[in-house]
Amino acid sequence: QVHLVESGGGMVLPGTSLTLSCAASGFTVSRYGMEWVRQVPGKGLQWVAIIWSDGNNKYYADSVKGRFTISRDDSNNTLLLQMNSLRAEDTAVYYCVKFRGRIAESWGQGTLVTVSS
Amino acid sequence: EIVMTQSPATLSVSPGERATLSCRASQYVSSNLAWFQQKPGQAPRLLIYGASTRATGIPARFSGSGSGTEFTLTISSLQSEDFAVYYCQQYNNWPPSEYTFGQGTKLEIK
Repeated sequence: QVHLVESGGGMVLPGTSLTLSCAASGFTVSRYGMEWVRQVPGKGLQWVAIIWSDGNNKYYADSVKGRFTISRDDSNNTLLLQMNSLRAEDTAVYYCVKFRGRIAESWGQGTLVTVSS
Repeated sequence: EIVMTQSPATLSVSPGERATLSCRASQYVSSNLAWFQQKPGQAPRLLIYGASTRATGIPARFSGSGSGTEFTLTISSLQSEDFAVYYCQQYNNWPPSEYTFGQGTKLEIK
């Protein structure tokens, strides 16, 4: 059974960094496309970053390009999101998502990131 | 970018009645359309993919239809646990950075 557990969220100051982790079980992260999707409380869904199963193809939303880095820790079956130069507008719940083919099949419970002075 | 427009923004329906939610794509997306359900405080859950295929464990009262640019999610007899926000997402174009969500329809109790 697929299980995704995000961690690493919290309250940080603008301009600082944070790394989110997504521990996966029930499947091998390196064999699937994975993404981070965020949601400002009360608002809609926005994809943030995607890493495809080959590990080489990575995509970023324009709003985070150059500041966020998506990666995998295959030895720990974990998806990561390194977030630098955080801004107030990055405040959101961040979800880890597993693709099946092109379909966003499985979602973690999310971790809240708050960027505030 | 393909823009997904959902209507209505809010739908008020009584338990036991049928609910019909719409999703329109600004460009042709074939049947590459998924529906997600999100309850308060929870993550989105995949309901439908391929426009009409129910995901594992999804009750038969949920059905999806449409292709091209017009799509519909129908809930045949609303249960209390169905009141939530519903999102559509197209995944037609490559790369996956081209996939886009609709803004959501809130299904509330009338």
